[in-house]
Amino acid sequence: EVQLVESGGGLVQPGRSRRLSCAASGFTFDDYAMHWVRQVPGKGLEWVSGISWNSGSIDYADSVKGRFTISRDNAKNSLYLQMNSLRAEDTAFYYCAKDKDYDILNTFDYWGQGTLVTVSS
Amino acid sequence: QSALTQPPSASGSPGQSVTISCTGTSSDVGGYNYVSWYQQHPGKAPKLMIYEVNKRPSGVPDRFSGSKSGNTASLTVSGLQAEDEADYYCSSYAGSKKSFVFGGGTKLTVL
Repeated sequence: EVQLVESGGGLVQPGRSRRLSCAASGFTFDDYAMHWVRQVPGKGLEWVSGISWNSGSIDYADSVKGRFTISRDNAKNSLYLQMNSLRAEDTAFYYCAKDKDYDILNTFDYWGQGTLVTVSS
Repeated sequence: QSALTQPPSASGSPGQSVTISCTGTSSDVGGYNYVSWYQQHPGKAPKLMIYEVNKRPSGVPDRFSGSKSGNTASLTVSGLQAEDEADYYCSSYAGSKKSFVFGGGTKLTVL
């Protein structure tokens, strides 16, 4: 059974940093691309970033480019999102999602339960 | 404003069919066959219902079907059931510069 478990959310002050983690199990982690997708409570979904199976291809939404960094450790079956210079508009549930493909291309076929990041003073 | 346009709401009675549209451009929906649909119940994570325009993952009832014509994709739910009441989101691959875009979501109500 595929499981994705996010951690690292919480309350953070504007301008500060936060690192999210996603622990994956139930599939061969290094065979698939992975993504972060966020959702402001009560609002729609927004793709944040994606990383290919070998970290050779990485993309970001314009809204986070230059502030967020996605990475993965295939030996630890883990995905990360380093978030710097956080803003109030970054407040959202952050979901870790598995791609159906090895590259950042296809669809998000499994999702974690999400971790809430609240940016506020 | 979302990159893909969905109606904010849709509804139907049990047993009826309902279709939700998702309109994009030739740079996303019209340009790639990587359109997906997700179902989200309140307080839950999204669940993949349709991928690559019209393919159903294992375990998704065949009451759910997808299609695409030009820059518009559609999700049809046939034989509506109470448990189909949820928010539905479309998404599309948008190329290497924009990667993925979502619709604003459609709240499906089963009357």
